[in-house]
Amino acid sequence: QQQVKQSPQSLIVQKGGISIINCAYENTAFDYFPWYQQFPGKGPALLIAIRPDVSEKKEGRFTISFNKSAKQFSLHIMDSQPGDSATYFCAAVDNAGNMLTFGGGTRLMVKP
Amino acid sequence: EAEVAQSPRYKITEKSQAVAFWCDPISGHATLYWYRQILGQGPELLVQFQDESVVDDSQLPKDRFSAERLKGVDSTLKIQPAELGDSAMYLCASTRTANTGELFFGEGSRLTVL
Repeated sequence: QQQVKQSPQSLIVQKGGISIINCAYENTAFDYFPWYQQFPGKGPALLIAIRPDVSEKKEGRFTISFNKSAKQFSLHIMDSQPGDSATYFCAAVDNAGNMLTFGGGTRLMVKP
Repeated sequence: EAEVAQSPRYKITEKSQAVAFWCDPISGHATLYWYRQILGQGPELLVQFQDESVVDDSQLPKDRFSAERLKGVDSTLKIQPAELGDSAMYLCASTRTANTGELFFGEGSRLTVL
C-alpha cells in the first residue's frame, strides 16, 4: 500500500514556466514532509521541507504548499530552468521519526 | 563537503550468486538507512540502523538479505542468493538524528542480476 501518492508521473514544462507536482497522504501520523531531487545516476538530495503547522514555505524558486485538512501538499517550481530537469520525490516522516516514506516520483523535463 | 560513500557503484552478477554493498556514512551520523530503488520508482526502505542496532528491518527479505553495522559506523548489505528481481539501485543514507527526515544519500550501487 502506497502511503504517499504522487502525481503526475512525468511533466514537461517550457523554460520559464511553472512546474507543479502534487502529493497526497493518508497517515495522520506524518508530521514532516520533505521533497527530494534526484539527477540520473545520483542519490536523492533534500530540496525543501515543510511541517504541517505552516501552509506554505518558499525557498528561492521552490515553494511547498500544504493543505492539512485535505492531506495534500505540492511543490511549485517557478521560472523553471533546464537545470531543474530531474526526478522529484515527495516524502513523509511520521511523528516517531522512524521512517521516511517516498512517493513514486515525478520526472520533470524543462525544455529550453 | 562530507558525503556518504558507497561501493561498488555498479555490480553485475548472475542469479544465485552472492553480492555485497558497502556504505560509509557522514561522520557523526548515528542513523543509517539502506533503501532499494527500482527504476522509475521511489526508494523503499530496507533497513534502518541507530548506531549498531537495527531499528526497522520489517521490509528486508531476511531469507536472502542481511545487513550489519558492527561498530556503528560503516555498514554492509548482503544478498545471497541474488535473484533477477533484485536488480535495482541500492541507496545508503545517513542522518545525525532519525526524526528530521533530512537524509543524506550516497550515489548508490546499481545491481544487475543476469
